[in-house]
Amino acid sequence: DTAVSQTPKYLVTQMGNDKSIKCEQNLGHDTMYWYKQDSKKFLKIMFSYNNKELIINETVPNRFSPKSPDKAHLNLHINSLELGDSAVYFCASSQERELVYEQYFGPGTRLTVT
Amino acid sequence: AQKITQTQPGMFVQEKEAVTLDCTYDTSDQSYGLFWYKQPSSGEMIFLIYQGSYDEQNATEGRYSLNFQKARKSANLVISASQLGDSAMYFCAMREGLLSEKLVFGKGTKLTVNP
Repeated sequence: DTAVSQTPKYLVTQMGNDKSIKCEQNLGHDTMYWYKQDSKKFLKIMFSYNNKELIINETVPNRFSPKSPDKAHLNLHINSLELGDSAVYFCASSQERELVYEQYFGPGTRLTVT
Repeated sequence: AQKITQTQPGMFVQEKEAVTLDCTYDTSDQSYGLFWYKQPSSGEMIFLIYQGSYDEQNATEGRYSLNFQKARKSANLVISASQLGDSAMYFCAMREGLLSEKLVFGKGTKLTVNP
């Protein structure tokens, strides 16, 4: 069973469109994240939710809106897509265990905006 | 200022040899955690190893070990007996403080294992 799953794996769309990426984890973790990996492979956190509550919101354009219907799901909705949004988006989840909290990553969604 | 610095954009190693991937970090917190992740060409992020700032012993996981030098603020990853399947991007990351949920990543090192 996949621990953290994302759909779709690939997403190609035109500028100006609105799109969503879904993420689900079956690990029972309380915290979920969205990361963006740019073309130079740099990985940067965008959002973090703990038990459906937003706890980290990095300086991300407000065209990006995360939604957590329950603690197992964290979806990312992007409005008015721009060329610069092209990247790989990773969902992750974590649960602290004796001060260690390994983050489990999903397989990533490669978004291409044309 | 960069929190995590990986100075080697690319590294090459012969199969069966050991290789060290460098990572230095910058923090004023006393409590923090250091992580290494592997990203093969297929794209997924795979957790390798973790070192807590209060851990006195270097972390080890199979062929991976973390050479933690707190005074130098370095957390180098050592891979012993390299295998072809070790060819991948390797990312060092840090969690600052006990209350932070955020991982800050370095820019990565691309490791190529030659047969």
